[in-house]
Amino acid sequence: GNSVTQMEGPVTLSEEAFLTINCTYTATGYPSLFWYVQYPGEGLQLLLKATKADDKGSNKGFEATYRKETTSFHLEKGSVQVSDSAVYFCAQMEYGNKLVFGAGTILRVKS
Amino acid sequence: DAGVIQSPRHEVTEMGQEVTLRCKPISGHDYLFWYRQTMMRGLELLIYFNNNVPIDDSGMPEDRFSAKMPNASFSTLKIQPSEPRDSAVYFCASRGRQPQLFFGSGTQLSVL
Repeated sequence: GNSVTQMEGPVTLSEEAFLTINCTYTATGYPSLFWYVQYPGEGLQLLLKATKADDKGSNKGFEATYRKETTSFHLEKGSVQVSDSAVYFCAQMEYGNKLVFGAGTILRVKS
Repeated sequence: DAGVIQSPRHEVTEMGQEVTLRCKPISGHDYLFWYRQTMMRGLELLIYFNNNVPIDDSGMPEDRFSAKMPNASFSTLKIQPSEPRDSAVYFCASRGRQPQLFFGSGTQLSVL
């Protein structure tokens, strides 16, 4: 079945460092891809999305590009802040409206 | 827009008791999803509804779990009887036409 694999965390960075969180997916077709963020004690919030190959989703300085050839959707940010500390989930939606999540990656940013 | 509203935020109960979790989706959204989040299993889709009708309940762990959506603005997830292994955070989410889910703040369930 469809699945999403994320790099394991926690990822610990200093403020202003460059962030990459890897995400790959398996699917029979061409799913929509998402990054969600979960702050402590809260529900998941959509961070960005891409619905077709080569689309780039971006929001709040975060970016991810839908790479069909490598089945990847890596999350990047040029300069992280302490306020970016959270859990980040990669997800895909193909058929049946099911959103399939990766395991999540904890990001800790130190000042 | 108030977003997806879940209640209660926290529930502590004893094994064997009935637990009812509640969700109010965003007005106008016609899909509603129930997810469970644990450290061991991550986020699991339990069941989802479209226009108040259950479409896929293959993620419901066992007969002790049941979910209903009597109208477009309300859904419940019931566990009867509850067990310690049901302890988790339960999220409700809704969506409209766009393939984007909006999540509630979750219910932290502890079964002692």
